[in-house]
Amino acid sequence: EVQLVESGGGLVKPGGSLKLSCAASGFAFSSYDMSWVRQTPEKRLEWVAYISSGGGSTYYPDTVKGRFTISRDNAKNTLYLQMSSLKSEDTAMYYCARHYNWEFTDYWGQGTSVTVSS
Amino acid sequence: QIVLTQSPAIMSASLGEEITLTCSASSSVSYMHWYQQKSGTSPKLLIYSTSNLASGVPSRFSGSGSGTFYSLTISSVEAEDAADYYCHQWSSYPTFGGGTKLEIK
Repeated sequence: EVQLVESGGGLVKPGGSLKLSCAASGFAFSSYDMSWVRQTPEKRLEWVAYISSGGGSTYYPDTVKGRFTISRDNAKNTLYLQMSSLKSEDTAMYYCARHYNWEFTDYWGQGTSVTVSS
Repeated sequence: QIVLTQSPAIMSASLGEEITLTCSASSSVSYMHWYQQKSGTSPKLLIYSTSNLASGVPSRFSGSGSGTFYSLTISSVEAEDAADYYCHQWSSYPTFGGGTKLEIK
Protein backbone atom coordinates (compact mmCIF):
# COMPACT_ATOMS: atom_id res chain seq x y z
CA GLU A 1 0.00 0.00 0.00
CA VAL A 2 1.36 3.40 -1.00
CA GLN A 3 1.86 5.61 2.04
CA LEU A 4 3.11 9.19 2.23
CA VAL A 5 3.43 10.70 5.69
CA GLU A 6 4.29 14.37 6.04
CA SER A 7 5.73 15.99 9.13
CA GLY A 8 7.48 19.15 10.25
CA GLY A 9 4.68 21.69 10.00
CA GLY A 10 3.90 24.22 12.68
CA LEU A 11 3.64 27.87 13.61
CA VAL A 12 6.45 30.12 12.41
CA LYS A 13 6.96 33.88 12.37
CA PRO A 14 7.19 35.84 9.12
CA GLY A 15 10.71 35.64 7.77
CA GLY A 16 11.32 32.35 9.52
CA SER A 17 12.21 28.92 8.18
CA LEU A 18 10.76 25.44 8.34
CA LYS A 19 11.69 22.07 6.87
CA LEU A 20 8.99 19.60 5.93
CA SER A 21 9.56 15.88 5.48
CA CYS A 22 7.57 13.20 3.69
CA ALA A 23 8.27 9.56 4.49
CA ALA A 24 7.33 7.23 1.65
CA SER A 25 6.59 3.52 1.82
CA GLY A 26 4.84 0.80 -0.16
CA PHE A 27 6.46 1.62 -3.50
CA ALA A 28 9.87 2.09 -5.15
CA PHE A 29 10.38 5.69 -4.05
CA SER A 30 13.54 6.19 -6.10
CA SER A 31 11.62 5.46 -9.32
CA TYR A 32 9.06 8.22 -8.96
CA ASP A 33 9.05 11.95 -9.47
CA MET A 34 7.52 13.81 -6.53
CA SER A 35 5.90 17.16 -5.84
CA TRP A 36 4.73 19.32 -2.98
CA VAL A 37 1.28 20.88 -3.32
CA ARG A 38 -0.32 23.22 -0.82
CA GLN A 39 -3.93 24.04 0.00
CA THR A 40 -4.71 27.43 1.43
CA PRO A 41 -7.30 28.05 4.16
CA GLU A 42 -9.61 29.16 1.33
CA LYS A 43 -9.13 25.64 -0.12
CA ARG A 44 -7.21 26.80 -3.18
CA LEU A 45 -4.69 24.22 -4.42
CA GLU A 46 -1.26 25.41 -5.57
CA TRP A 47 1.71 23.36 -6.76
CA VAL A 48 4.89 24.54 -5.03
CA ALA A 49 7.74 22.22 -6.03
CA TYR A 50 8.68 19.29 -8.25
CA ILE A 51 11.67 16.94 -8.19
CA SER A 52 12.61 14.19 -10.60
CA SER A 53 13.16 10.62 -9.44
CA GLY A 54 16.91 10.97 -9.21
CA GLY A 55 16.80 14.49 -7.84
CA GLY A 56 18.57 16.03 -10.79
CA SER A 57 15.70 18.24 -11.92
CA THR A 58 13.67 20.60 -9.78
CA TYR A 59 11.04 23.17 -10.65
CA TYR A 60 9.20 25.86 -8.69
CA PRO A 61 6.54 28.46 -9.36
CA ASP A 62 7.63 32.09 -9.15
CA THR A 63 5.72 32.48 -5.88
CA VAL A 64 8.25 30.34 -4.01
CA LYS A 65 11.31 30.30 -6.27
CA GLY A 66 14.41 31.30 -4.32
CA ARG A 67 12.69 30.70 -0.98
CA PHE A 68 11.73 26.99 -1.14
CA THR A 69 14.04 24.06 -1.93
CA ILE A 70 12.82 20.56 -2.67
CA SER A 71 15.18 17.63 -2.14
CA ARG A 72 15.05 13.91 -1.59
CA ASP A 73 17.05 11.12 0.01
CA ASN A 74 16.29 7.97 -1.96
CA ALA A 75 18.25 5.85 0.52
CA LYS A 76 15.87 6.99 3.26
CA ASN A 77 12.74 7.07 1.08
CA THR A 78 12.15 10.62 2.19
CA LEU A 79 11.18 13.85 0.43
CA TYR A 80 11.92 17.29 1.88
CA LEU A 81 10.82 20.87 1.47
CA GLN A 82 13.04 23.54 2.99
CA MET A 83 11.10 26.77 3.31
CA SER A 84 12.71 30.09 4.19
CA SER A 85 11.72 33.77 4.22
CA LEU A 86 8.21 32.61 5.00
CA LYS A 87 5.29 34.96 4.42
CA SER A 88 1.75 34.96 5.72
CA GLU A 89 0.54 33.86 2.30
CA ASP A 90 2.53 30.64 2.71
CA THR A 91 0.05 29.57 5.38
CA ALA A 92 -1.47 26.32 4.10
CA MET A 93 -1.72 22.58 4.41
CA TYR A 94 1.27 21.09 2.61
CA TYR A 95 0.92 17.76 0.83
CA CYS A 96 3.57 15.60 -0.74
CA ALA A 97 2.38 13.79 -3.84
CA ARG A 98 3.70 11.01 -6.03
CA HIS A 99 3.74 11.49 -9.79
CA TYR A 100 2.19 8.84 -12.01
CA ASN A 101 3.85 10.62 -14.89
CA TRP A 102 4.95 14.18 -15.64
CA GLU A 103 1.35 15.36 -15.98
CA PHE A 104 -0.34 14.33 -12.77
CA THR A 105 0.03 12.90 -9.29
CA ASP A 106 -1.73 9.75 -8.17
CA TYR A 107 -1.17 9.58 -4.39
CA TRP A 108 -1.11 12.34 -1.78
CA GLY A 109 -0.16 12.24 1.87
CA GLN A 110 -2.42 13.42 4.68
CA GLY A 111 -0.69 16.79 4.84
CA THR A 112 1.14 18.89 7.40
CA SER A 113 -0.11 22.31 8.42
CA VAL A 114 2.06 25.43 8.21
CA THR A 115 0.96 28.70 9.78
CA VAL A 116 3.00 31.85 9.27
CA SER A 117 1.99 34.48 11.80
CA SER A 118 3.54 36.83 14.29
CA GLN B 1 -0.35 30.41 -16.71
CA ILE B 2 -3.58 28.64 -17.64
CA VAL B 3 -6.56 29.52 -15.47
CA LEU B 4 -9.11 26.77 -14.81
CA THR B 5 -12.64 27.91 -14.01
CA GLN B 6 -15.00 25.37 -12.49
CA SER B 7 -18.76 25.63 -12.41
CA PRO B 8 -20.89 25.58 -10.53
CA ALA B 9 -19.09 26.51 -7.33
CA ILE B 10 -21.69 24.61 -5.35
CA MET B 11 -24.00 21.89 -6.63
CA SER B 12 -26.83 20.33 -4.68
CA ALA B 13 -27.98 16.96 -6.02
CA SER B 14 -30.48 14.29 -5.07
CA LEU B 15 -29.59 10.65 -4.64
CA GLY B 16 -29.71 8.87 -8.00
CA GLU B 17 -29.50 12.08 -10.02
CA GLU B 18 -27.08 12.47 -12.93
CA ILE B 19 -24.89 15.54 -12.62
CA THR B 20 -22.16 17.20 -14.64
CA LEU B 21 -19.40 19.43 -13.31
CA THR B 22 -17.49 21.56 -15.77
CA CYS B 23 -13.98 22.98 -16.04
CA SER B 24 -13.08 25.68 -18.54
CA ALA B 25 -9.46 26.46 -19.38
CA SER B 26 -8.22 29.90 -20.43
CA SER B 27 -6.08 28.21 -23.12
CA SER B 28 -6.16 24.81 -24.75
CA VAL B 29 -4.75 21.93 -22.69
CA SER B 30 -3.89 18.40 -23.74
CA TYR B 31 -5.53 16.60 -20.85
CA MET B 32 -7.54 17.30 -17.73
CA HIS B 33 -7.32 15.45 -14.46
CA TRP B 34 -9.87 15.40 -11.64
CA TYR B 35 -9.47 15.01 -7.88
CA GLN B 36 -12.05 14.33 -5.20
CA GLN B 37 -11.54 15.66 -1.70
CA LYS B 38 -13.82 14.56 1.11
CA SER B 39 -14.03 16.57 4.29
CA GLY B 40 -10.90 16.30 6.43
CA THR B 41 -8.95 14.22 3.93
CA SER B 42 -6.39 14.83 1.20
CA PRO B 43 -7.30 15.00 -2.51
CA LYS B 44 -7.71 11.64 -4.21
CA LEU B 45 -7.14 11.07 -7.93
CA LEU B 46 -10.49 10.39 -9.58
CA ILE B 47 -9.95 10.70 -13.34
CA TYR B 48 -6.68 11.10 -15.25
CA SER B 49 -5.93 12.11 -18.80
CA THR B 50 -9.48 13.41 -19.33
CA SER B 51 -11.40 10.13 -19.32
CA ASN B 52 -9.52 7.36 -17.48
CA LEU B 53 -10.81 6.20 -14.12
CA ALA B 54 -8.21 5.92 -11.38
CA SER B 55 -7.89 2.61 -9.60
CA GLY B 56 -10.88 1.76 -7.42
CA VAL B 57 -13.09 4.58 -8.72
CA PRO B 58 -16.70 3.50 -9.32
CA SER B 59 -17.91 3.33 -12.90
CA ARG B 60 -20.63 5.92 -12.24
CA PHE B 61 -17.87 8.53 -12.65
CA SER B 62 -16.79 9.56 -16.14
CA GLY B 63 -14.83 12.36 -17.74
CA SER B 64 -14.75 13.93 -21.17
CA GLY B 65 -13.69 17.00 -23.05
CA SER B 66 -10.98 18.53 -25.17
CA GLY B 67 -9.25 21.81 -25.83
CA THR B 68 -10.62 24.34 -23.34
CA PHE B 69 -13.73 22.58 -22.05
CA TYR B 70 -13.85 19.50 -19.85
CA SER B 71 -16.49 17.83 -17.72
CA LEU B 72 -16.93 15.27 -14.97
CA THR B 73 -20.20 13.34 -14.84
CA ILE B 74 -21.65 11.23 -12.06
CA SER B 75 -24.35 9.04 -13.58
CA SER B 76 -26.22 8.30 -10.35
CA VAL B 77 -25.17 10.31 -7.32
CA GLU B 78 -24.65 8.42 -4.07
CA ALA B 79 -24.35 9.82 -0.56
CA GLU B 80 -20.62 9.02 -0.44
CA ASP B 81 -20.01 11.34 -3.41
CA ALA B 82 -20.40 14.43 -1.23
CA ALA B 83 -17.04 16.14 -1.62
CA ASP B 84 -15.09 18.91 -3.30
CA TYR B 85 -14.01 18.22 -6.87
CA TYR B 86 -11.00 19.88 -8.49
CA CYS B 87 -9.84 19.87 -12.09
CA HIS B 88 -6.10 20.05 -12.79
CA GLN B 89 -3.86 20.51 -15.81
CA TRP B 90 -0.15 20.19 -16.33
CA SER B 91 0.12 20.88 -20.05
CA SER B 92 2.33 23.78 -19.16
CA TYR B 93 2.63 25.36 -15.75
CA PRO B 94 0.47 23.21 -13.42
CA THR B 95 -2.73 24.76 -12.15
CA PHE B 96 -5.89 23.69 -10.36
CA GLY B 97 -9.45 24.87 -10.66
CA GLY B 98 -11.16 26.56 -7.75
CA GLY B 99 -13.30 23.50 -7.04
CA THR B 100 -16.95 22.48 -7.04
CA LYS B 101 -18.58 21.52 -3.79
CA LEU B 102 -21.12 18.70 -4.24
CA GLU B 103 -23.83 18.57 -1.62
CA ILE B 104 -26.37 15.78 -1.35
CA LYS B 105 -29.97 16.85 -0.71
